Amino acid sequence: SAVISQKPSRDICQRGTSLTIQCQVDSQVTMMFWYRQQPGQSLTLIATANQGSEATYESGFVIDKFPISRPNLTFSTLTVSNMSPEDSSIYLCSVEEGLAGPGELFFGEGSRLTVL
Amino acid sequence: GQQVMQIPQYQHVQEGEDFTTYCNSSTTLSNIQWYKQRPGGHPVFLIQLVKSGEVKKQKRLTFQFGEAKKNSSLHITATQTTDVGTYFCAGRSNYQLIWGAGTKLIIKP
Repeated sequence: SAVISQKPSRDICQRGTSLTIQCQVDSQVTMMFWYRQQPGQSLTLIATANQGSEATYESGFVIDKFPISRPNLTFSTLTVSNMSPEDSSIYLCSVEEGLAGPGELFFGEGSRLTVL
Repeated sequence: GQQVMQIPQYQHVQEGEDFTTYCNSSTTLSNIQWYKQRPGGHPVFLIQLVKSGEVKKQKRLTFQFGEAKKNSSLHITATQTTDVGTYFCAGRSNYQLIWGAGTKLIIKP
């Protein structure tokens, strides 16, 4: 199974600033996913990061607010821009593994973001 | 839109009692996955069910996928303190993964 390193693990940020979260995978993967998980809630998919093309965003999430980079098959970044307290959440990077077709997800440890 | 309803939201049990969480989809699923998230941790994959009526066991955990591929359950026999956490189902439909709200298992002291 893939090993995913995510950083920072946590941060406290001021309103109006931006933070970039990094996700490094120990193997090449086609698709990487960015999720948000608010306290006590389920996971919400922000976007799918594809290497060599623009990320695909889910309804309610836009590129200006959550720009994503995917420079190669093992690395991706998610930026949370112009933060407000409503952006306080855990952000999770994940990859999918399956022998044939979509399979299970493996997650990074998460980045716990608090916006003051 | 497509939804996967998961109940209950919380379940308090005495150690040694059983625990069950249920997921029900508004649409037929191609498969369903189960994840466990320990407090302060990230979701960890437990199992994937693909076939109609499928039942799989992992030690004290039993997973079922309904005949219509719209519902699923996870049953834990004789809970232990290591079972504490939130259990999520995630159903796949049209290549989308739809997450349930999760059931938090709490062991009473």
